Amino acid sequence: ETGVTQSPTHLIKTRGQQVTLRCSSQSGHNTVSWYQQALGQGPQFIFQYYREEENGRGNFPPRFSGLQFPNYSSELNVNALELDDSALYLCASSLVRRTDTQYFGPGTRLTVL
Amino acid sequence: EDKVVQSPLSLVVHEGDTVTLNCSYEVTNFRSLLWYKQEKKAPTFLFMLTSSGIEKKSGRLSSILDKKELFSILNITATQTGDSAIYLCAVEGETSGSRLTFGEGTQLTVNP
Repeated sequence: ETGVTQSPTHLIKTRGQQVTLRCSSQSGHNTVSWYQQALGQGPQFIFQYYREEENGRGNFPPRFSGLQFPNYSSELNVNALELDDSALYLCASSLVRRTDTQYFGPGTRLTVL
Repeated sequence: EDKVVQSPLSLVVHEGDTVTLNCSYEVTNFRSLLWYKQEKKAPTFLFMLTSSGIEKKSGRLSSILDKKELFSILNITATQTGDSAIYLCAVEGETSGSRLTFGEGTQLTVNP
């Protein structure tokens, strides 16, 4: 089991609402990446944070936003939820440019009704 | 745009069988290819491959990379029911930091 934790584990929201997901990174890791995994698909990169700055973004609209805090924990915020946002949201922490150190958290299962 | 294609998407075998999972990729300025096992939620790291032709092994699992033909295989020998999982292949480019592009995954089911 990795030292990456995520909360909450499950969440049910309705269309149009806003949601905040949280991730605590492995001790010593300064980079956090967020991924969206729809059912039956591989994870898709949303964005990455390094030392509190966004360090790359995937093909997701601006209503997906994030933050990284001085202790390297991170939040993912999604506004104006759509049905297609229903997915498993994974965060992964690592040392920068050390993919072999990247550990995934258990994920947050978001259901949008 | 980086791309990863895995095959087969689904595989059902009996305990003791050997399986080969395939991963082909396109990536700008290849840096590494990684294999993960996903049983319930968190993908767990299996291998990272950076050089062609060098086999990586861990117990009954092994993997090799061909950078000329842009593919990798993951072999599992003497499969056990505990190997049932989704196996994910991902690539990383030199300019992408530690962000990964994943394939759809192969769902492996090992029956007793």
